[in-house]
Amino acid sequence: DAGVTQSPTHLIKTRGQHVTLRCSPISGHKSVSWYQQVLGQGPQFIFQYYEKEERGRGNFPDRFSARQFPNYSSELNVNALLLGDSALYLCASSSQTSLIPPPNEQFFGPGTRLTVL
Amino acid sequence: AQKVTQAQTEISVVEKEDVTLDCVYETRDTTYYLFWYKQPPSGELVFLIRRNSFDEQNEISGRYSWNFQKSTSSFNFTITASQVVDSAVYFCALSEISGGYQKVTFGTGTKLQVIP
Repeated sequence: DAGVTQSPTHLIKTRGQHVTLRCSPISGHKSVSWYQQVLGQGPQFIFQYYEKEERGRGNFPDRFSARQFPNYSSELNVNALLLGDSALYLCASSSQTSLIPPPNEQFFGPGTRLTVL
Repeated sequence: AQKVTQAQTEISVVEKEDVTLDCVYETRDTTYYLFWYKQPPSGELVFLIRRNSFDEQNEISGRYSWNFQKSTSSFNFTITASQVVDSAVYFCALSEISGGYQKVTFGTGTKLQVIP
């Protein structure tokens, strides 16, 4: 079975541009989360989507947005890029079916390395 | 606000030594979940364990063991008889559900180097 896939692998942008990152969850997983990992730091939670609805949001500015499609794949969009947005962006999927049962383990993709010049 | 502290930035051990990675967390919730992940040099995070706040039993899985103590808000991870393949960055994480939303907080990670 395929794991979580992310595209592109690497991306170079300049300040002020926007970027779209894509994620395909493990087949059958309906929950997708996005994280930003700056070099040398732990992942920081950006969003969680479940059944195409936003179910969690971290402390990120409105320049960051996301959506989940009917096939449960997801896009993360970042507008007006800043140098500080340079990071590894991780997508994780989970088989959890509700927020009431305990969160299941998340399976992470390989990430998209974004460099903003 | 929730917080996860991994005070050890880097640890080096010689192969076959035991090593303990510390994790201290802060939360106001009574129901929460704790996780450990491994991030090898390839970069992909690998799930190791999940523990809920009501289960304080220690767990052992092969050479790995976890000690959860609510009294000290700690969830420490021990690797017994370390091997070179254990070299990686290890993250502790805390998950809470608030207002119907799930929020996950990771620590800053501990880089473990096992020297042959």
